[in-house]
Amino acid sequence: DAEITQSPRHKITETGRQVTLACHQTWNHNNMFWYRQDLGHGLRLIHYSYGVQDTNKGEVSDGYSVSRSNTEDLPLTLESAASSQTSVYFCASSASTSSYEQYFGPGTRLTVT
Amino acid sequence: QKEVEQDPGPLSVPEGAIVSLNCTYSNSAFQYFMWYRQYSRKGPELLMYTYSSGNKEDGRFTAQVDKSSKYISLFIRDSQPSDSATYLCAMRNQGNTPLVFGKGTRLSVIA
Repeated sequence: DAEITQSPRHKITETGRQVTLACHQTWNHNNMFWYRQDLGHGLRLIHYSYGVQDTNKGEVSDGYSVSRSNTEDLPLTLESAASSQTSVYFCASSASTSSYEQYFGPGTRLTVT
Repeated sequence: QKEVEQDPGPLSVPEGAIVSLNCTYSNSAFQYFMWYRQYSRKGPELLMYTYSSGNKEDGRFTAQVDKSSKYISLFIRDSQPSDSATYLCAMRNQGNTPLVFGKGTRLSVIA
């Protein structure tokens, strides 16, 4: 069965470290998204991609970067982790033709100490 | 003002009650309206989808869109404890554009 996976599921890191969160989908979807979810803020879009080599900034992109070298993967990098980036991170994907239906991964719980 | 407003709750109802969840929005270009359900410590999943105005029914769930009022609703009939979750509204305009999510309403259905 097609799926979307995230790794690691839990991560504790120190302030200033570079961290990369992985997202892998097997639906062959063109669209991929990264969100963070915090109490009181809901889901906020960090970066998104509509295909290989395409990346776009979302609402809260400062301090984060992504690159899309193939259809299946969109890794999210925190260049220099800050305590304000402690959050739950969700990756999602959708087909271009039905982009209202996003499939979400299980989430990565990141703690920056 | 955020593009999409949603009361975060929490909302607590007895089993069997009718639940009404709502969102308002400010962008008149929105054409696609979705409701996602998110169980604790899981990713959201699509529950209902409506294009433009009108109603859509799926079992115990009914989604309504009133574009003239910029107001969407999700009704849950005969609510069950298994409906306890956070419900997020989402919407977007025409084309392959990102979804805009509400903050989500946390619902608890008490047996």
